[in-house]
Amino acid sequence: QKEVEQNSGPLSVPEGAIASLNCTYSDRGSQSFFWYRQYSGKSPELIMFIYSNGDKEDGRFTAQLNKASQYVSLLIRDSQPSDSATYLCAVNNDYKLSFGAGTTVTVRA
Amino acid sequence: GAVVSQHPSWVICKSGTSVKIECRSLDFQATTMFWYRQFPKQSLMLMATSNEGSKATYEQGVEKDKFLINHASLTLSTLTVTSAHPEDSSFYICSAPPTVSGNTIYFGEGSWLTVV
Repeated sequence: QKEVEQNSGPLSVPEGAIASLNCTYSDRGSQSFFWYRQYSGKSPELIMFIYSNGDKEDGRFTAQLNKASQYVSLLIRDSQPSDSATYLCAVNNDYKLSFGAGTTVTVRA
Repeated sequence: GAVVSQHPSWVICKSGTSVKIECRSLDFQATTMFWYRQFPKQSLMLMATSNEGSKATYEQGVEKDKFLINHASLTLSTLTVTSAHPEDSSFYICSAPPTVSGNTIYFGEGSWLTVV
């Protein structure tokens, strides 16, 4: 599998703040990228995917992709306690996903 | 509702026995499915690609004789952990892409295996 690295956590943010998550990948040929949220003991839930350079917004979430830098990020605006989870960055290779180690986010009320 | 269903959700077995986990696509046909394993506090690691009607392809370091994969129909893949040992205790998750091109990858609910 291809290497995917995420910024180490855990990340603790106050409610209403912005949580910033970063991810780098090693395979320059990678085309699409996913952000998943995983609650303890549960299957991953898709937050969003991105395949074009630039920003992609969906509600309170914004993904950013820079293929030249091999960098993907996820911003969570107006963080809520329910956003407390582990966030996984994944690189797609013909539907086979290479996951990063995950960043655990805790939103303090 | 879930589009990929896994069964059982959790299972406890004795060391040396075999355990079968099923992964079903509910509303679509999946010629390919993927099996992942996740140890506590670690990320998901791809174990193998399950191919309908042909042999599974395994990732490096995954023993094909220990983790038997059968994809006998377009909606069902099974993973059998043979001669399970405590170190096989993990969270096993399957995924399936849709048959039409796109970016949607569906995950099953996962199966917790505890070997005692």
